Amino acid sequence: AQSVTQPDIHITVSEGASLELRCNYSYGATPYLFWYVQSPGQGLQLLLKYFSGDTLVQGIKGFEAEFKRSQSSFNLRKPSVHWSDAAEYFCAVGGSDRTSSGSARQLTFGSGTQLTVLP
Amino acid sequence: DSGVTQTPKHLITATGQRVTLRCSPRSGDLSVYWYQQSLDQGLQFLIQYYNGEERAKGNILERFSAQQFPDLHSELNLSSLELGDSALYFCASSAGQGSTGELFFGEGSRLTVL
Repeated sequence: AQSVTQPDIHITVSEGASLELRCNYSYGATPYLFWYVQSPGQGLQLLLKYFSGDTLVQGIKGFEAEFKRSQSSFNLRKPSVHWSDAAEYFCAVGGSDRTSSGSARQLTFGSGTQLTVLP
Repeated sequence: DSGVTQTPKHLITATGQRVTLRCSPRSGDLSVYWYQQSLDQGLQFLIQYYNGEERAKGNILERFSAQQFPDLHSELNLSSLELGDSALYFCASSAGQGSTGELFFGEGSRLTVL
């Protein structure tokens, strides 16, 4: 079964500091990996995704993530955090294979990391 | 703005009642997904429809049902409501069927069961 672990429930950083949010996944086939962001009162918005190729992927708002197959990780990074980055961040895993019942694979989301940015 | 519209934004009802949540997908998207977000369970996949047909089922209770209409909008029906059903219900849409592409989320419908 596929699963995603985000070990940090809450992270606090100062504005201008660097950020790394951790994500570990479990998936039997080649994973498709995603990071979504949820601002208060909003739905989830895709930051970036990894399907194949270059293991360092760039996303919107200055975010990037690195896929490390050996560590089953897909950590999200940003070199300098802005106050507007305060939000909840979700890592998700999916794939192009089918489930045992023949259904299309669905995304499995982690439990999220709440980011607080101090002025 | 993701292009996905959900109504109502907020809903307060009593235990035992039935409610219907509505979702209009992004223009051109054929897949609609329903997710439940609660503090204790996180973001849980409920069900997916593609072009009017059910494609995948997740942790959806038997008291819950959904459908996708010919105009591609979808409704999630929640019946015999319990206190534990209080949650934020998200609809998402995508062009394809599975988890290979981006999901576009609506702003959610917050259900409070008293």
